[in-house]
Amino acid sequence: NAGVTQTPKFQVLKTGQSMTLQCAQDMNHEYMSWYRQDPGMGLRLIHYSVGAGITDQGEVPNGYNVSRSTTEDFPLRLLSAAPSQTSVYFCASSYQTSGSGVQFFGPGTRLTVL
Amino acid sequence: SQQGEEDPQALSIQEGENATMNCSYKTSINNLQWYRQNSGRGLVHLILIRSNEREKHSGRLRVTLDTSKKSSSLLITASRAADTASYFCATQGTGTASKLTFGTGTRLQVTL
Repeated sequence: NAGVTQTPKFQVLKTGQSMTLQCAQDMNHEYMSWYRQDPGMGLRLIHYSVGAGITDQGEVPNGYNVSRSTTEDFPLRLLSAAPSQTSVYFCASSYQTSGSGVQFFGPGTRLTVL
Repeated sequence: SQQGEEDPQALSIQEGENATMNCSYKTSINNLQWYRQNSGRGLVHLILIRSNEREKHSGRLRVTLDTSKKSSSLLITASRAADTASYFCATQGTGTASKLTFGTGTRLQVTL
């Protein structure tokens, strides 16, 4: 099993550009989520999904969109990148639909917005 | 907002010593989890302790939970250089829609 995979590993954007961060898992987990990690802030939940076709907002959803058309994939879209979105982004999945169980994390995408 | 706050923020010890990290949280929880993050990598789950448990062990790891004090500790015994990483606690609240909330982490440095 590859676990949770994320692409790209690094990305540099200019303010106003849009892009999609890809996330996929091969563990048949229903629950998937996106976090951002900033220095001194820990991880903050952006969006999550409890199954295909179902998404919901986390703590810091503004400026991001998600969709879940399949169990395996959960892409995160930045609509109009801003310097405040410079961060490391992690995708995670869990076998417990509530998201309360063990989280399996991808390797992260380091995004810089100029 | 962060539910868990780790203490200390940074810890430096020598190989073979024990490392203790603490986590305090504010509201009632269903479970508390500890994760490790090596530099530039994703988080890796270490151990989960439920609110009705007081202590759990996994190899060289020992986790305690005191719900009356809203605190948990992670003890790593006989530390190795490979234990150098950041350690995060994460709590899940008691509401049915509660998601994991992560603390800011403790950075552990184990030197030879």
